[in-house]
Amino acid sequence: DQQVKQNSPSLSVQEGRISILNCDYTNSMFDYFLWYKKYPAEGPTFLISISSIKDKNEDGRFTVFLNKSAKHLSLHIVPSQPGDSAVYFCAAPAAGAGSYQLTFGKGTKLSVIP
Amino acid sequence: DTGVSQNPRHKITKRGQNVTFRCDPISEHNRLYWYRQTLGQGPEFLTYFQNEAQLEKSRLLSDRFSAERPKGSFSTLEIQRTEQGDSAMYLCASSWREQFFGPGTRLTVL
Repeated sequence: DQQVKQNSPSLSVQEGRISILNCDYTNSMFDYFLWYKKYPAEGPTFLISISSIKDKNEDGRFTVFLNKSAKHLSLHIVPSQPGDSAVYFCAAPAAGAGSYQLTFGKGTKLSVIP
Repeated sequence: DTGVSQNPRHKITKRGQNVTFRCDPISEHNRLYWYRQTLGQGPEFLTYFQNEAQLEKSRLLSDRFSAERPKGSFSTLEIQRTEQGDSAMYLCASSWREQFFGPGTRLTVL
C-alpha cells in the first residue's frame, strides 16, 4: 500500500517554462511534506517543505502547494532551468513534523530541455 | 564537516558474504537514518537512531540486517549472508529536522 504516490514517472519541460510535479497521499495523518531532488550517483537533496497548517510555501523559484481536502501537493518550478533536470521525490514523515521514518513516492524524472 | 559521508561508495560482493557500510552524519545532528533504494523506487526506510539509541528497527528487511551507532556518532549497517536481492543503494541521512542524505553505498551482490 503506497501512501505517497507520484503518478508521473517523467516530465519534460522547455527551459524558462513552468514545471509542475504532482504528489498524492492517502494517509490523512500526514501533516508535513518534503520534496527532495536527486541527481544520478548522489543522495537525495532536501529542496522545500510544507506544514499542513499552510497551503503554500515559496523559496525562490520553488513553490509547494498543499490541498489537504484533495490529499494532493504539487511542486512548481519557475522558470525551469536545465540544472533542474533530476528525479524529484515527494515524502512525508510517519509521525508528523518530527521528520523521521520518511515515506517516499517513486519519484518523477524531470528533464528541462534547453 | 560539509555533509553526510558514506563509505564505501561502491561494494561488490559474492552471495553469502557479509558486508558492512559506514555513515558519518553531520556532526550536530542527533538523528541518523538508514534507507534502501532500488531501481525505479523511492528510498525505503530501514532504521533510525536518536543519539546512540536505535528507536525503530522493525522495518529492517530481515534478521540478516543490523545497524549500530556506538557513542551516538557514526553508524554502521551490516548485512550478513548477502543475497542477490540485497543489491541496492543504501542511503544514510541525518537530521535535526529535515533529513540530509549522504551519497549512498551501491551494493552489488553477484
